[in-house]
Amino acid sequence: EVQLVESGGGLVQPGGSLRLSCAASGFTFSSYAMSWVRQAPGKGLEWVSAISGSGGSTYYADSVKGRFTISRDNSKNTLYLQMNSLGAEDTAVYYCAKLLGYCTSSSCRGAFDIWGQGTMVTVSS
Amino acid sequence: EIVLTQSPATLSLSPGERATLSCGASQSVSSNFLAWYQQKPGLAPRLLIYDASTRATGIPDRFSGSGSGTDFTLTISRLEPEDFAVYYCQQYGSSSWTFGQGTKVEIK
Repeated sequence: EVQLVESGGGLVQPGGSLRLSCAASGFTFSSYAMSWVRQAPGKGLEWVSAISGSGGSTYYADSVKGRFTISRDNSKNTLYLQMNSLGAEDTAVYYCAKLLGYCTSSSCRGAFDIWGQGTMVTVSS
Repeated sequence: EIVLTQSPATLSLSPGERATLSCGASQSVSSNFLAWYQQKPGLAPRLLIYDASTRATGIPDRFSGSGSGTDFTLTISRLEPEDFAVYYCQQYGSSSWTFGQGTKVEIK
């Protein structure tokens, strides 16, 4: 069964850091680009970041560029999101998602066909 | 960045009725790289349609997508009780992904 399971969410103070993980199973993890998408309470979906299958290419939304870092360990079938300088606007459920698409040497594109259950990040003092 | 605008914000219909949801883009979506998702409360989104008109694996044929350029439509031919949810469109151009604000399909 294809599955994504996020972990690492929690309560963090403004200005703090948190690292999210997403454990993948049921597919050849290294063959697929992956992404993080977040959803603030009661709001819509916002794309956060994406990474190619090899990990050699990374992409960020302007709202998180310079603060968040996406990475992956293909030997552990795990995706990560390191979040620094967190603010109240980062409070959200964070989902990892698998790309149904492809990456070239310069870009990635595709819809998100598999999603995890999400992990809640709350930034508050 | 391509901005997606969904309409209406809320659609009130009865089971068995036809639902038509719209998604407009601020500029042309390259190669019709547009997807539709369904989200129920407390759950992750589920991919329904990609490449504007291709149903994802396991999606019933009452769901269909159409459109090109800047205007796209998701149609649910006959609403089933489990179809009442929020629907999002998404474009996936070159290394950039944006979502519409969502359309809630509620029971009338």
